Amino acid sequence: SAVISQKPSRDICQRGTSLTIQCQVDSQVTMMFWYRQQPGQSLTLIATANQGSEATYESGFVIDKFPISRPNLTFSTLTVSNMSPEDSSIYLCSVEEFDRGAAFFGQGTRLTVV
Amino acid sequence: GQQLNQSPQSMFIQEGEDVSMNCTSSSIFNTWLWYKQEPGEGPVLLIALYKAGELTSNGRLTAQFGITRKDSFLNISASIPSDVGIYFCAGQVNYGGATNKLIFGTGTLLAVQP
Repeated sequence: SAVISQKPSRDICQRGTSLTIQCQVDSQVTMMFWYRQQPGQSLTLIATANQGSEATYESGFVIDKFPISRPNLTFSTLTVSNMSPEDSSIYLCSVEEFDRGAAFFGQGTRLTVV
Repeated sequence: GQQLNQSPQSMFIQEGEDVSMNCTSSSIFNTWLWYKQEPGEGPVLLIALYKAGELTSNGRLTAQFGITRKDSFLNISASIPSDVGIYFCAGQVNYGGATNKLIFGTGTLLAVQP
Protein backbone atom coordinates (compact mmCIF):
# COMPACT_ATOMS: atom_id res chain seq x y z
CA SER A 1 0.00 0.00 0.00
CA ALA A 2 0.99 3.64 -0.47
CA VAL A 3 3.05 5.29 2.23
CA ILE A 4 1.42 8.52 3.39
CA SER A 5 3.31 11.11 5.42
CA GLN A 6 1.71 14.05 7.16
CA LYS A 7 3.35 17.15 8.62
CA PRO A 8 3.17 18.34 11.30
CA SER A 9 2.22 15.33 13.41
CA ARG A 10 0.87 17.66 16.08
CA ASP A 11 0.64 21.36 16.85
CA ILE A 12 -0.74 23.74 19.42
CA CYS A 13 -2.03 26.95 17.87
CA GLN A 14 -3.49 30.22 19.01
CA ARG A 15 -7.07 31.00 18.15
CA GLY A 16 -7.47 33.22 15.11
CA THR A 17 -4.38 31.85 13.39
CA SER A 18 -4.17 29.36 10.50
CA LEU A 19 -2.32 26.06 10.13
CA THR A 20 -1.39 24.31 6.91
CA ILE A 21 -1.09 20.54 7.02
CA GLN A 22 0.94 18.75 4.37
CA CYS A 23 0.32 15.28 2.97
CA GLN A 24 2.94 13.51 0.86
CA VAL A 25 2.36 10.15 -0.85
CA ASP A 26 5.14 7.93 -2.17
CA SER A 27 3.25 7.13 -5.38
CA GLN A 28 0.99 8.99 -7.78
CA VAL A 29 -2.68 8.87 -6.82
CA THR A 30 -5.72 10.38 -8.47
CA MET A 31 -7.83 11.06 -5.41
CA MET A 32 -6.72 12.40 -2.05
CA PHE A 33 -9.11 12.86 0.82
CA TRP A 34 -9.06 14.94 3.99
CA TYR A 35 -10.89 13.78 7.12
CA ARG A 36 -11.51 15.29 10.53
CA GLN A 37 -11.72 13.22 13.71
CA GLN A 38 -12.99 15.20 16.65
CA PRO A 39 -11.98 14.01 20.15
CA GLY A 40 -13.47 10.60 20.90
CA GLN A 41 -15.38 10.57 17.62
CA SER A 42 -15.35 8.81 14.29
CA LEU A 43 -13.96 10.14 11.02
CA THR A 44 -15.83 12.66 8.91
CA LEU A 45 -14.88 13.49 5.33
CA ILE A 46 -14.02 17.15 4.81
CA ALA A 47 -13.28 17.17 1.10
CA THR A 48 -11.98 15.24 -1.89
CA ALA A 49 -8.98 16.71 -3.71
CA ASN A 50 -8.31 16.03 -7.38
CA GLN A 51 -5.15 17.20 -9.05
CA GLY A 52 -5.82 20.12 -11.37
CA SER A 53 -9.31 20.93 -10.13
CA GLU A 54 -10.99 22.50 -7.14
CA ALA A 55 -11.63 20.32 -4.13
CA THR A 56 -15.13 18.99 -3.56
CA TYR A 57 -16.38 19.79 -0.05
CA GLU A 58 -18.83 17.80 2.03
CA SER A 59 -21.85 19.34 3.66
CA GLY A 60 -20.82 21.47 6.62
CA PHE A 61 -17.34 22.25 5.31
CA VAL A 62 -16.46 25.30 3.21
CA ILE A 63 -13.47 26.36 1.18
CA ASP A 64 -12.93 29.60 3.10
CA LYS A 65 -12.44 27.65 6.33
CA PHE A 66 -10.57 24.65 4.89
CA PRO A 67 -8.76 25.66 1.69
CA ILE A 68 -7.08 22.73 -0.03
CA SER A 69 -4.31 22.62 -2.60
CA ARG A 70 -3.44 19.70 -4.88
CA PRO A 71 -0.53 20.83 -7.03
CA ASN A 72 0.48 17.35 -8.24
CA LEU A 73 -0.36 13.67 -7.99
CA THR A 74 1.68 13.03 -4.82
CA PHE A 75 1.01 16.06 -2.61
CA SER A 76 -1.82 18.00 -1.00
CA THR A 77 -2.27 20.56 1.73
CA LEU A 78 -5.20 21.37 3.99
CA THR A 79 -5.32 24.73 5.76
CA VAL A 80 -7.43 25.23 8.84
CA SER A 81 -8.16 28.96 8.81
CA ASN A 82 -9.05 31.41 11.56
CA MET A 83 -8.93 28.64 14.12
CA SER A 84 -11.09 28.36 17.22
CA PRO A 85 -10.96 25.75 20.02
CA GLU A 86 -13.75 23.87 18.23
CA ASP A 87 -11.25 23.08 15.46
CA SER A 88 -9.19 20.98 17.88
CA SER A 89 -9.21 17.58 16.17
CA ILE A 90 -7.11 15.04 14.38
CA TYR A 91 -6.89 15.81 10.67
CA LEU A 92 -6.17 12.83 8.42
CA CYS A 93 -5.06 12.55 4.83
CA SER A 94 -6.18 9.51 2.86
CA VAL A 95 -5.65 8.03 -0.58
CA GLU A 96 -7.54 5.36 -2.45
CA GLU A 97 -5.87 2.50 -4.27
CA PHE A 98 -8.26 1.35 -6.96
CA ASP A 99 -6.72 -2.05 -7.37
CA ARG A 100 -7.52 -2.74 -3.73
CA GLY A 101 -10.71 -0.72 -3.58
CA ALA A 102 -9.76 0.61 -0.18
CA ALA A 103 -8.56 3.81 1.40
CA PHE A 104 -5.31 4.21 3.31
CA PHE A 105 -4.50 6.85 5.87
CA GLY A 106 -1.61 8.94 7.06
CA GLN A 107 -0.79 9.03 10.76
CA GLY A 108 -2.79 12.20 11.23
CA THR A 109 -2.13 15.70 12.54
CA ARG A 110 -3.30 16.32 16.09
CA LEU A 111 -4.32 19.98 16.34
CA THR A 112 -5.03 21.75 19.61
CA VAL A 113 -6.31 25.33 19.48
CA VAL A 114 -5.95 27.40 22.62
CA GLY B 1 -22.12 13.88 8.72
CA GLN B 2 -23.67 10.50 8.03
CA GLN B 3 -22.36 7.60 10.11
CA LEU B 4 -22.97 3.90 10.32
CA ASN B 5 -24.43 2.29 13.44
CA GLN B 6 -21.66 0.26 15.04
CA SER B 7 -22.01 -1.92 18.12
CA PRO B 8 -21.00 -2.47 20.75
CA GLN B 9 -19.60 0.94 21.62
CA SER B 10 -16.96 -0.64 23.84
CA MET B 11 -15.82 -4.06 25.00
CA PHE B 12 -13.69 -5.05 27.97
CA ILE B 13 -12.59 -8.67 27.70
CA GLN B 14 -10.05 -11.15 29.00
CA GLU B 15 -7.13 -12.28 26.89
CA GLY B 16 -8.06 -15.37 24.90
CA GLU B 17 -11.73 -14.48 24.51
CA ASP B 18 -13.38 -14.10 21.13
CA VAL B 19 -14.81 -10.73 20.08
CA SER B 20 -17.62 -9.82 17.72
CA MET B 21 -18.69 -6.39 16.51
CA ASN B 22 -21.01 -5.28 13.76
CA CYS B 23 -22.18 -2.39 11.64
CA THR B 24 -25.59 -1.72 10.20
CA SER B 25 -26.93 0.88 7.82
CA SER B 26 -30.14 1.88 6.13
CA SER B 27 -28.14 2.35 2.92
CA ILE B 28 -26.57 -0.16 0.56
CA PHE B 29 -22.79 -0.16 0.18
CA ASN B 30 -20.55 -1.45 -2.60
CA THR B 31 -17.66 -2.25 -0.28
CA TRP B 32 -17.23 -2.75 3.45
CA LEU B 33 -13.93 -2.01 5.13
CA TRP B 34 -12.72 -2.64 8.67
CA TYR B 35 -10.01 -0.48 10.27
CA LYS B 36 -8.13 -0.44 13.57
CA GLN B 37 -6.88 2.79 15.10
CA GLU B 38 -4.36 2.97 17.91
CA PRO B 39 -3.61 6.13 19.91
CA GLY B 40 -1.69 8.72 17.93
CA GLU B 41 -2.04 6.82 14.68
CA GLY B 42 -4.24 6.88 11.63
CA PRO B 43 -6.64 4.02 10.92
CA VAL B 44 -5.01 0.88 9.52
CA LEU B 45 -6.94 -1.29 7.09
CA LEU B 46 -7.65 -4.79 8.42
CA ILE B 47 -10.06 -6.36 5.96
CA ALA B 48 -11.82 -5.26 2.76
CA LEU B 49 -15.04 -6.92 1.54
CA TYR B 50 -16.26 -6.48 -2.03
CA LYS B 51 -19.23 -8.81 -2.57
CA ALA B 52 -22.47 -9.42 -0.73
CA GLY B 53 -22.12 -12.58 1.35
CA GLU B 54 -18.33 -12.54 1.16
CA LEU B 55 -16.52 -13.99 4.16
CA THR B 56 -12.85 -13.04 4.47
CA SER B 57 -10.19 -13.86 7.04
CA ASN B 58 -6.94 -12.15 7.96
CA GLY B 59 -5.19 -14.21 10.63
CA ARG B 60 -7.38 -14.21 13.73
CA LEU B 61 -9.78 -11.74 12.12
CA THR B 62 -12.84 -12.74 10.11
CA ALA B 63 -15.31 -10.35 8.51
CA GLN B 64 -18.44 -10.80 6.43
CA PHE B 65 -20.29 -8.57 3.97
CA GLY B 66 -24.01 -8.95 4.68
CA ILE B 67 -26.28 -10.39 2.02
CA THR B 68 -28.46 -7.28 2.05
CA ARG B 69 -25.31 -5.12 1.57
CA LYS B 70 -26.47 -3.06 4.55
CA ASP B 71 -24.40 -4.69 7.28
CA SER B 72 -21.09 -6.31 8.15
CA PHE B 73 -19.50 -7.99 11.15
CA LEU B 74 -15.94 -8.45 12.37
CA ASN B 75 -14.84 -11.30 14.62
CA ILE B 76 -11.53 -11.52 16.46
CA SER B 77 -10.65 -14.94 17.82
CA ALA B 78 -8.39 -15.64 20.81
CA SER B 79 -7.79 -11.96 21.62
CA ILE B 80 -4.37 -10.78 22.76
CA PRO B 81 -3.35 -7.52 24.50
CA SER B 82 -2.11 -5.95 21.25
CA ASP B 83 -5.66 -6.13 19.86
CA VAL B 84 -6.44 -3.09 22.00
CA GLY B 85 -7.64 -0.14 19.97
CA ILE B 86 -10.66 1.39 18.31
CA TYR B 87 -12.19 -0.60 15.46
CA PHE B 88 -14.10 1.23 12.74
CA CYS B 89 -16.24 -0.13 9.97
CA ALA B 90 -16.59 1.90 6.79
CA GLY B 91 -18.99 1.56 3.90
CA GLN B 92 -18.01 2.73 0.45
CA VAL B 93 -20.40 4.19 -2.10
CA ASN B 94 -19.76 5.45 -5.60
CA TYR B 95 -21.03 8.96 -6.13
CA GLY B 96 -20.46 8.94 -9.82
CA GLY B 97 -17.32 8.98 -11.91
CA ALA B 98 -14.20 7.81 -10.16
CA THR B 99 -15.06 9.09 -6.70
CA ASN B 100 -15.77 6.56 -3.97
CA LYS B 101 -16.82 8.00 -0.65
CA LEU B 102 -16.32 6.34 2.72
CA ILE B 103 -18.89 6.54 5.50
CA PHE B 104 -17.45 5.53 8.87
CA GLY B 105 -19.04 3.73 11.77
CA THR B 106 -19.08 5.16 15.25
CA GLY B 107 -16.30 2.86 16.41
CA THR B 108 -15.86 0.05 18.94
CA LEU B 109 -13.31 0.51 21.71
CA LEU B 110 -11.68 -2.81 22.58
CA ALA B 111 -9.77 -3.31 25.83
CA VAL B 112 -8.08 -6.66 26.53
CA GLN B 113 -7.13 -7.64 30.06
CA PRO B 114 -3.98 -9.82 30.13
